[in-house]
Amino acid sequence: DGGITQSPKYLFRKEGQNVTLSCEQNLNHDAMYWYRQDPGQGLRLIYYSQIVNDFQKGDIAEGYSVSREKKESFPLTVTSAQKNPTAFYLCASSIWGGTGVAKNIQYFGAGTRLSVL
Amino acid sequence: SQELEQSPQSLIVQEGKNLTINCTSSKTLYGLYWYKQKYGEGLIFLMMLQKGGEEKSHEKITAKLDEKKQQSSLHITASQPSHAGIYLCGALPGGATNKLIFGTGTLLAVQP
Repeated sequence: DGGITQSPKYLFRKEGQNVTLSCEQNLNHDAMYWYRQDPGQGLRLIYYSQIVNDFQKGDIAEGYSVSREKKESFPLTVTSAQKNPTAFYLCASSIWGGTGVAKNIQYFGAGTRLSVL
Repeated sequence: SQELEQSPQSLIVQEGKNLTINCTSSKTLYGLYWYKQKYGEGLIFLMMLQKGGEEKSHEKITAKLDEKKQQSSLHITASQPSHAGIYLCGALPGGATNKLIFGTGTLLAVQP
């Protein structure tokens, strides 16, 4: 089945630790996105990538880093600089990073819940 | 900046009742997407609207985009417990961007 796989489902971070969230897609989509979801705040864009080896900051990129070495993979690292990392993280992908409405339908993974120990 | 406002924030209905969720934008939308989310899970794509006055249906869910392309509604007919969850609207604001903006969601509970 085609889809987006996020792992792990639950993750715990210790003080001063960097943690990496995995996102893999087999939809052959060019664009991939990372969102953070907090209660009552909707989805906020962290980083996005339209092509391999290129990515842009979203609205809340501070304390996060990403890489896009392969089309299928877009891992997110939550660094120790992110002082409030507890949240639900969602990865998404879409066919193409242009402005077409149909091509910008985003498909989401099941999410990773990150908590601080 | 453009924002999406959803109403109501939460909704409790009896099984079998109809309901409507609204999504309003401060500016004209280029495209509008509806998603459903179960708690602790990812978003499931429901429908996409693009043209003013457009209406789409899937099973018992109907989504409409007004003529001015600033408001969309999601209507559920004869609600069932399986309809429970969080409904979010997402919008493509237009211009040279493919970044979506999202509403804060509407939490729907359906009582048997």
